[in-house]
Amino acid sequence: QKEVEQDPGPLSVPEGAIVSLNCTYSNSAFQYFMWYRQYSRKGPELLMYTYSSGNKEDGRFTAQVDKSSKYISLFIRDSQPSDSATYLCAMSVNSGGSNYKLTFGKGTLLTVNP
Amino acid sequence: SAVISQKPSRDICQRGTSLTIQCQVDSQVTMMFWYRQQPGQSLTLIATANQGSEATYESGFVIDKFPISRPNLTFSTLTVSNMSPEDSSIYLCSENSGSETQYFGPGTRLLVL
Repeated sequence: QKEVEQDPGPLSVPEGAIVSLNCTYSNSAFQYFMWYRQYSRKGPELLMYTYSSGNKEDGRFTAQVDKSSKYISLFIRDSQPSDSATYLCAMSVNSGGSNYKLTFGKGTLLTVNP
Repeated sequence: SAVISQKPSRDICQRGTSLTIQCQVDSQVTMMFWYRQQPGQSLTLIATANQGSEATYESGFVIDKFPISRPNLTFSTLTVSNMSPEDSSIYLCSENSGSETQYFGPGTRLLVL
């Protein structure tokens, strides 16, 4: 079993839809939870970051963590064509000092159609 | 977060040759990381590079194949040695500014023929 599981999609939605992206994990040692957005031919860009169970909202984006179920989600409201990208979940654990080792999901390819 | 640049942005290489990828950060950072992103696969950590010490490699990656230099707090290089088509991938560097998250460069797209 991989440490982090993420459905690679692809996921195609109409503009304005609510998008739900999800990851599950098996390592209960993970302390920090992130979502990255990666546009085609670009590096991953940090989108959301949280460390506790519950919801964190930033504009149209909401990150949700459920540590008891080992499940994280990213919700995108009023999705726009500019949201079309690959979304990567990532989780980190402290490996000593300031070294936090990240483990990534495979990424979900999202297309928002105008 | 620091701004990270990588050179080259892409390259096409012949098998058996080596390529050195450069990663430049616009501020001093303690820890830099090198990742490989293969199609359909998760971003995979190759090694962690601290200035003034040997890089720490993850399971499945060895120094002879992926030598890393970290001469100062703003620069690192990753060499992909004796390349084969299986090395075709995107190579990314990142830094963590001492925090729990990481910030990535734009990546180097490598195709080995």
